[in-house]
Amino acid sequence: DAGVTQSPTHLIKTRGQQVTLRCSPKSGHDTVSWYQQALGQGPQFIFQYYEEEERQRGNFPDRFSGHQFPNYSSELNVNALLLGDSALYLCASSLVPGSGYGYTFGSGTRLTVV
Amino acid sequence: AQTVTQSQPEMSVQEAETVTLSCTYDTSESDYYLFWYKQPPSRQMILVIRQEAYKQQNATENRFSVNFQKAAKSFSLKISDSQLGDAAMYFCAYKGGGSEKLVFGKGMKLTVNP
Repeated sequence: DAGVTQSPTHLIKTRGQQVTLRCSPKSGHDTVSWYQQALGQGPQFIFQYYEEEERQRGNFPDRFSGHQFPNYSSELNVNALLLGDSALYLCASSLVPGSGYGYTFGSGTRLTVV
Repeated sequence: AQTVTQSQPEMSVQEAETVTLSCTYDTSESDYYLFWYKQPPSRQMILVIRQEAYKQQNATENRFSVNFQKAAKSFSLKISDSQLGDAAMYFCAYKGGGSEKLVFGKGMKLTVNP
């Protein structure tokens, strides 16, 4: 049973560029959330997707956008990259939104902006 | 806004001994969930244990147990018979009943000495 898979594992981008990160949820899960984890910090919630719509959003600028596909996989897009966007980006999936059963996380994409 | 505080950035424990990780949170909600996640060097967040706020009984999962003090807004994790594989970053997290996001603390690095 495959867990949450994220690609790529590492990425280096130049300031001002755009980046797309990808996530496939755990089999049977239909809800995907994205988190940003800066070095030495806990993850910060970016947004959650369910039924191909953004269900809730954290305190992130519009440069951060996402998409969910009919097969429940998801993309996180970041435009006009800043040095401060360098972080580990984690994807988490769950069975239904609002459940308190916790989330299954992937191993993340390490984004470095230079 | 809800906040989660982990005041101890680092702890160490001898193999086979018991260690307690502390966590406090602030919320005005009555319906919420609390979690402990473990993040080893592989970067994947792994759910260790969860607690529903309406349940008075403390959750246990094998060697892991919590001490949930709702009035004090405290949620500590006890690891018994510590093993080398328990070494990791540990994050306390909060989820409101009506919200989709997890609010994480800053984490605590646990070292297990042989």
